[in-house]
Amino acid sequence: KAGVTQTPRYLIKTRGQQVTLSCSPISGHRSVSWYQQTPGQGLQFLFEYFSETQRNKGNFPGRFSGRQFSNSRSEMNVSTLELGDSALYLCASSLGPTGYTDYGYTFGSGTRLTVV
Amino acid sequence: GQQVMQIPQYQHVQEGEDFTTYCNSSTTLSNIQWYKQRPGGHPVFLIQLVKSGEVKKQKRLTFQFGEAKKNSSLHITATQTTDVGTYFCAVIMEYGNKLVFGAGTILRVKS
Repeated sequence: KAGVTQTPRYLIKTRGQQVTLSCSPISGHRSVSWYQQTPGQGLQFLFEYFSETQRNKGNFPGRFSGRQFSNSRSEMNVSTLELGDSALYLCASSLGPTGYTDYGYTFGSGTRLTVV
Repeated sequence: GQQVMQIPQYQHVQEGEDFTTYCNSSTTLSNIQWYKQRPGGHPVFLIQLVKSGEVKKQKRLTFQFGEAKKNSSLHITATQTTDVGTYFCAVIMEYGNKLVFGAGTILRVKS
């Protein structure tokens, strides 16, 4: 079966711009989580969506937002980009919400965002 | 901050040597997951441990969950170059139901 699909794979944006990243989970998976990965901070939790509802949000400014659609696809948006937003953004899907499944997350290949 | 401390940060081993990474928590954990991320890749789920004292094996990999459910380890026997990557533990924070990752241990294998 198809894995988790993230688009685009690479993105270069200018400071002040906004960006939207997309994630299509594995078919049947209803939970989507987003993480930011940087060399200095590691994997940082952004938010989790389940059944179109945001269940949790990490410690990121309001410039970071997301949503989930009825088909479980999710998008995250970052407005007013800063240089420090350069990172690998990973999306992960699972059958159920965090804490309610014995299965781990399946990650997508990520979107590499570079802010210049 | 991180709920789990993962050590060591780096480990360089000669091919054929064993490797162990540890995750430690100050609080009791409900469960712990382990992931592997190859260089340039994305994290891949390896296993979840739930029970106190649990030991699970996957070929050359042995995973343990401490009796007090405050620590866990991943041991690789006779490392191979294919074992290269970063190994992360991840735990669910009791409040908020977030899956939080440790800082990871980078494994390099010299052939």
